[in-house]
Amino acid sequence: GAVVSQHPSWVICKSGTSVKIECRSLDFQATTMFWYRQFPKQSLMLMATSNEGSKATYEQGVEKDKFLINHASLTLSTLTVTSAHPEDSSFYICSSIRGSDGYTFGSGTRLTVV
Amino acid sequence: TQLLEQSPQFLSIQEGENLTVYCNSSSVFSSLQWYRQEPGEGPVLLVTVVTGGEVKKLKRLTFQFGDARKDSSLHITAAQPGDTGLYLCAGEPSSASKIIFGSGTRLSIRP
Repeated sequence: GAVVSQHPSWVICKSGTSVKIECRSLDFQATTMFWYRQFPKQSLMLMATSNEGSKATYEQGVEKDKFLINHASLTLSTLTVTSAHPEDSSFYICSSIRGSDGYTFGSGTRLTVV
Repeated sequence: TQLLEQSPQFLSIQEGENLTVYCNSSSVFSSLQWYRQEPGEGPVLLVTVVTGGEVKKLKRLTFQFGDARKDSSLHITAAQPGDTGLYLCAGEPSSASKIIFGSGTRLSIRP
């Protein structure tokens, strides 16, 4: 089945710094990728849809200037959390679609802002 | 905004018992998926249903899509401790290629 690789699996950063999370499609070309955020004991909330070669589409309430998404190639999308604060600490998960395999998810990135 | 409400939110039962998890919405979905997620990992797809009234079975798990494609259920027969986890339904709206997750059901099976 389709594989989506996410890196890093966990990161700790200081408040005010920026953190980049990568999402790669390993065996298929992904024109669209999705970024989700999951707080403890909660479900996944869609943040944005990343489109290769064009601007990302953000869900209502998600700050596009804080969560920068770049999808410069058919196999890589990145999410940069800018000027991170402790309330941004969360589990970030990417996903993509591959034909009959449907939606496939990365293993997630645990971000802790101290 | 399409919302998917799952019930119950939490369920703790004894090994061997049966259970049903519900996923309800006022919106119509072109397809609906069920996932299971372990702590610190991404969700893993269990099943996709696309036709109203469709029933799919996966060993002891039975999934049903409502006739109007607005709701779904997951029934587990003879639950085992290995079934413990977070179960998530997710719907793909008819108007967009993305999926929206339900509120989740945390299941705990006691040996």
